[in-house]
Amino acid sequence: GAGVSQTPSNKVTEKGKYVELRCDPISGHTALYWYRQSLGQGPEFLIYFQGTGAADDSGLPNDRFFAVRPEGSVSTLKIQRTERGDSAVYLCASSLIGGTGGWTEAFFGQGTRLTVV
Amino acid sequence: QKEVEQDPGPLSVPEGAIVSLNCTYSNSAFQYFMWYRQYSRKGPELLMYTYSSGNKEDGRFTAQVDKSSKYISLFIRDSQPSDSATYLCAASSGNTPLVFGKGTRLSVIA
Repeated sequence: GAGVSQTPSNKVTEKGKYVELRCDPISGHTALYWYRQSLGQGPEFLIYFQGTGAADDSGLPNDRFFAVRPEGSVSTLKIQRTERGDSAVYLCASSLIGGTGGWTEAFFGQGTRLTVV
Repeated sequence: QKEVEQDPGPLSVPEGAIVSLNCTYSNSAFQYFMWYRQYSRKGPELLMYTYSSGNKEDGRFTAQVDKSSKYISLFIRDSQPSDSATYLCAASSGNTPLVFGKGTRLSVIA
């Protein structure tokens, strides 16, 4: 597709369950970002990949959150033992290059709305 | 204190009004400043991008950055109902991910 694709669009899960959120970046984009947006707030950075490696994971709130990008394209954000406070929209973005000075536009997906009940 | 502060509003204006949206930031390393527009239940989309201090104009939109006062502004002229959205300011030092403000919710009333 032409844009960043995130699946599922909506996810409702019970407290304590495990969830996986998927992001398909724009083809050829080497940088991939995960953000979390709570109601009435701006996106908050979680983790940034350059290729297959996590270049910066300083935004992950705790060790229940983990993300992978094994082939340098699709990324999966994994949340273990979900809590009600994890409810938010999880946004993925990709850019042609990232880090190493300068700036290139980051294109966002439509997000996955996670609700933990 | 958050690195990027933005008044969340909401802001309601009549069609045709000039809209002024503002942010302040605290990190002197920020060099790149952006405004994103986010419609309800959609991802943010880049509206304007400015490097360092100065003005940038694109149609009805003007972005201003004053690094001496750490102040970022977006002006919308002849506002339209289709401009109704949440506007997010963001900043980066260039080798760091974007840091966003809370967003200002704008309604333009026909």
